[in-house]
Amino acid sequence: AQSVTQLDSQVPVFEEAPVELRCNYSSSVSVYLFWYVQYPNQGLQLLLKYLSGSTLVESINGFEAEFNKSQTSFHLRKPSVHISDTAEYFCAVSERNNDMRFGAGTRLTVKP
Amino acid sequence: DTGVSQDPRHKITKRGQNVTFRCDPISEHNRLYWYRQTLGQGPEFLTYFQNEAQLEKSRLLSDRFSAERPKGSFSTLEIQRTEQGDSAMYLCASSITGKDGYTFGSGTRLTVV
Repeated sequence: AQSVTQLDSQVPVFEEAPVELRCNYSSSVSVYLFWYVQYPNQGLQLLLKYLSGSTLVESINGFEAEFNKSQTSFHLRKPSVHISDTAEYFCAVSERNNDMRFGAGTRLTVKP
Repeated sequence: DTGVSQDPRHKITKRGQNVTFRCDPISEHNRLYWYRQTLGQGPEFLTYFQNEAQLEKSRLLSDRFSAERPKGSFSTLEIQRTEQGDSAMYLCASSITGKDGYTFGSGTRLTVV
């Protein structure tokens, strides 16, 4: 079965700095990959997803993630973060047509 | 459509009591999922339905847990003889195909005292 490892439980950064949240997955078959965001006291929201095709996918608020099959990774990046990006970020993997499994999450804290 | 609705938002119960949660998915979504999330952890898969058929259950879903989706629309999750370890946020999500990503509800926070 598929599994996800998020390598950093907490990432503190200063505003306008770049950030990378790391995610590695394990699966024996082709997968779909997702990043979800959970803002304080809110539910999980889909940030971006990789299904097939271009290995670089982008969100509407400036995040991007790159699927690397050889390294089984799907790291999330943003070149310049804002205070409003402070949230918990979850990486998730789904084997085709199966349920989704989540990592333990990375708490991103953006400091002024 | 108002998204995925879960009821109640909060539930406090005494150990040993039974509780039932309800989830109303987005109407055109035929897949429905239940997850459990504890503090500092990611959502853990419990079970999922395609229409009214329960297709997969996690080992986390002990025999005290049961889920139903009788007409392929709303779903219920019942926990019998609750234990303190059942305290968590119970999340429901729905999707059309799975690869479109899931839409999550706001969750039901269960506290067992």
